[in-house]
Amino acid sequence: DTGVSQNPRHKITKRGQNVTFRCDPISEHNRLYWYRQTLGQGPEFLTYFQNEAQLEKSRLLSDRFSAERPKGSFSTLEIQRTEQGDSAMYLCASSLSGDRGYTFGSGTRLTVV
Amino acid sequence: AQRVTQPEKLLSVFKGAPVELKCNYSYSGSPELFWYVQYSRQRLQLLLRHISRESIKGFTADLNKGETSFHLKKPFAQEEDSAMYYCALMDSSYKLIFGSGTRLLVRP
Repeated sequence: DTGVSQNPRHKITKRGQNVTFRCDPISEHNRLYWYRQTLGQGPEFLTYFQNEAQLEKSRLLSDRFSAERPKGSFSTLEIQRTEQGDSAMYLCASSLSGDRGYTFGSGTRLTVV
Repeated sequence: AQRVTQPEKLLSVFKGAPVELKCNYSYSGSPELFWYVQYSRQRLQLLLRHISRESIKGFTADLNKGETSFHLKKPFAQEEDSAMYYCALMDSSYKLIFGSGTRLLVRP
């Protein structure tokens, strides 16, 4: 197990297009988190899953954003009709219930042109 | 409101000098606080957490509930400590609330 894996590493898309990112957590971790980080800011919480259940969504997650974790393993984050303001680094992290320490992936950098 | 404040965007020190990265928080409950570090071209990684009261790479941080602070300290900075440091608060639903980060630059 090589840690939390995110694909793609970089994505450039035109405004209005849909994009999907994938996160593969550490295999025994049952919690999976998505964060967004813009330039000069710390990561901001978007949503998290415990197994396949999505337990919380931030108000930052507009109706253009959807996340899934269908079998409690990998997760996808989809952004529909992308806007320039969606340009950011999207980070995934995983953890075990009861363990407060997250393991982060390297992130997917999205650029909307 | 739950908030983490890191007042310094950049802290520049010379090698061997003491370092203190400031972090203040606002939280109504009993806080759990963390420091995460991001070295150049690497992923964000946990440096230390207040509940374990450990010292990692010579860094320590003490939770001061009276001052609502969790400053990160190291007595003698090394060049390899140059990185982005984020203070974070874990809320009751296990999500992390991050500060905006402080870039530490250790000059030779």
